[in-house]
Amino acid sequence: EAGVAQSPRYKIIEKRQSVAFWCNPISGHATLYWYQQILGQGPKLLIQFQNNGVVDDSQLPKDRFSAERLKGVDSTLKIQPAKLEDSAVYLCASSSGLAVTDTQYFGPGTRLTVL
Amino acid sequence: AQSVAQPEDQVNVAEGNPLTVKCTYSVSGNPYLFWYVQYPNRGLQFLLKYITGDNLVKGSYGFEAEFNKSQTSFHLKKPSALVSDSALYFCAVSLGDTNAGKSTFGDGTTLTVKP
Repeated sequence: EAGVAQSPRYKIIEKRQSVAFWCNPISGHATLYWYQQILGQGPKLLIQFQNNGVVDDSQLPKDRFSAERLKGVDSTLKIQPAKLEDSAVYLCASSSGLAVTDTQYFGPGTRLTVL
Repeated sequence: AQSVAQPEDQVNVAEGNPLTVKCTYSVSGNPYLFWYVQYPNRGLQFLLKYITGDNLVKGSYGFEAEFNKSQTSFHLKKPSALVSDSALYFCAVSLGDTNAGKSTFGDGTTLTVKP
C-alpha cells in the first residue's frame, strides 16, 4: 500500500513570496490533515478535511494560508505571502475515518525555509 | 484546553537497558493518548494509543505505555532498548468521549540508544 505522498520535499523562498505544497493521501482515506512543525516543537494542526469539506481550520492563519481538497483526494496548501516565521516542516496526514482515534498516517513532510 | 508536556528533551540509554520516555497531559475530561516516533527525514509513525480499557497498552516494535489517570501520565516504555530505537518521540492527547476532537502534540523527546 502506497503511503502519503508530499511534494516538494524542500523549498527555499524569500519572504513575501508565495509557495504551494501538495499532498496525496492514502487511497480511500476520507480524512486529510495539514500540520505545521516548527523546529523543536510538536506538530500543530492547521486544517482538517473530511472528503472535500473543512472540519477544522481554527488554527489556520487565514490571512496568508489557504488550503483546498477540491475532489476529496489530493490537497494543496498555499502560503501567500510568506513570512520568516513560516519556516517549518509541513506535514500531511490521512486517516480512513473522521474519528480522532483512527490512526493517522503521515507523509515525509515539506521543509520550508523562508529567507 | 488540552496540553501535553514531555519534560525531558533528551533521554540517553545503553543498548539492552530499559527505557522510559515521559509524558504528562492535561485535558478537561477523559483523554485519548497517543505515541508517535519520527526518524530523520521521515514523517511521524504511529506507535500506540490508549482509548479505554486496560491501562497498559502494547504497540509496535516492542513498545508499551501505561496510562495513569491519577498522575495524568502516559509514559512510553521498552524493556530492552535497541540502537535502532534512536529517534524523536512525540506524545499526543485529544479529548475523549468524542470522536471529533483534534490531537495536541508535545514538543518531543530525543531518544539516543548507545551500543
